[in-house]
Amino acid sequence: DGGITQSPKYLFRKEGQNVTLSCEQNLNHDAMYWYRQDPGQGLRLIYYSQIVNDFQKGDIAEGYSVSREKKESFPLTVTSAQKNPTAFYLCASTQRGTGSNYGYTFGSGTRLTVV
Amino acid sequence: AQKITQTQPGMFVQEKEAVTLDCTYDTSDQSYGLFWYKQPSSGEMIFLIYQGSYDEQNATEGRYSLNFQKARKSANLVISASQLGDSAMYFCAMREGPGTGFQKLVFGTGTRLLVSP
Repeated sequence: DGGITQSPKYLFRKEGQNVTLSCEQNLNHDAMYWYRQDPGQGLRLIYYSQIVNDFQKGDIAEGYSVSREKKESFPLTVTSAQKNPTAFYLCASTQRGTGSNYGYTFGSGTRLTVV
Repeated sequence: AQKITQTQPGMFVQEKEAVTLDCTYDTSDQSYGLFWYKQPSSGEMIFLIYQGSYDEQNATEGRYSLNFQKARKSANLVISASQLGDSAMYFCAMREGPGTGFQKLVFGTGTRLLVSP
């Protein structure tokens, strides 16, 4: 079945470490997105990519980095510069130009905790 | 300015009753889309219903309907005949623009719905 796979489901990071969250999709979607969710808040956009080898900062990009070397993959690195990385991270994708009724397809998320 | 406002942090409803979750939005675009997503405790986001700004009729999907009042900029979700499995967080989201190309969704802060037996 087509979908988005995020791994790992739970991730623990020591302070000062970089960690990378994986996001893979087999939907042949052009655009991919990373969102951060904190308790009591909605989703906030970190980075997005419309095509391979191109990506743009979202609303809260500081302390994060991404790459888009393949259409299927959009990994997110949480760097040591991110002062408060403990959160739930959601990856999503959309197919460009096919209509807008379904918004995003989401992965199941990665819960990152700084220990 | 906040683009999506959900004023109800939590709602309680008894099984089999209907419930309305409020959502107001702010945009100067003429073409936009409104979405509702359900997030169970497991974390995944489940698409429920979509309303386009030019749609003349309110969207419906099974037990879900969207009460779209364009002049008031509101897009409330109505769940009829609530079930225990409806207990979850519900997010309203908006896409500005026609959505034929890149889409960026802006989300509200969510409403936690608890359905009691």
